[in-house]
Amino acid sequence: GAGVSQTPSNKVTEKGKYVELRCDPISGHTALYWYRQSLGQGPEFLIYFQGTGAADDSGLPNDRFFAVRPEGSVSTLKIQRTERGDSAVYLCASSPGLAVDTQYFGPGTRLTVL
Amino acid sequence: AQSVTQLGSHVSVSEGALVLLRCNYSSSVPPYLFWYVQYPNQGLQLLLKYTSAATLVKGINGFEAEFKKSETSFHLTKPSAHMSDAAEYFCAVSPPGGGADGLTFGKGTHLIIQP
Repeated sequence: GAGVSQTPSNKVTEKGKYVELRCDPISGHTALYWYRQSLGQGPEFLIYFQGTGAADDSGLPNDRFFAVRPEGSVSTLKIQRTERGDSAVYLCASSPGLAVDTQYFGPGTRLTVL
Repeated sequence: AQSVTQLGSHVSVSEGALVLLRCNYSSSVPPYLFWYVQYPNQGLQLLLKYTSAATLVKGINGFEAEFKKSETSFHLTKPSAHMSDAAEYFCAVSPPGGGADGLTFGKGTHLIIQP
């Protein structure tokens, strides 16, 4: 079946602009995660949704970052007033439910802020 | 707070040799542990996971890992390296209690296979 998909695969923007990154989880998966992976580092947790609600947003670095999942499926990560330090690969993952389940990762969106 | 330490940002082995990638964790309660592999320009793929059942866990592609509570370690091994094993490997730990929150990852180990 289809895996987690993310669009766009690459995004180049200028400092100060607004960007939206989209994640389509595996059908039926209730849990959805966003991570950020900077060059040479492991993925860093940003936010976790269970259904439509953000169950844990403790990883969001500041209030320029926001994510939504209005219908409990597709999620959008939104970054306002982008900064050069926001440049990274943004990964999305989904898993079936509440217990510790395998998280299935998408290919990521590479964001470059000039 | 939890953390994961992967010793060696780069590990080089000859084709056919033993692969050993080290992972140590710190957690206030017994965690669940994962190894993921990332090939160039691809997403992370689960190799194996420990969820408090057998301490020796077998995964895909001939990899296995052993959970050692006394050493707080979860090292990844493969008896014989193949050229296709060249990739980035990440160890990760679940939140305390095994909840469905985000994972904490190590910085990764780049595995190089010499012909």
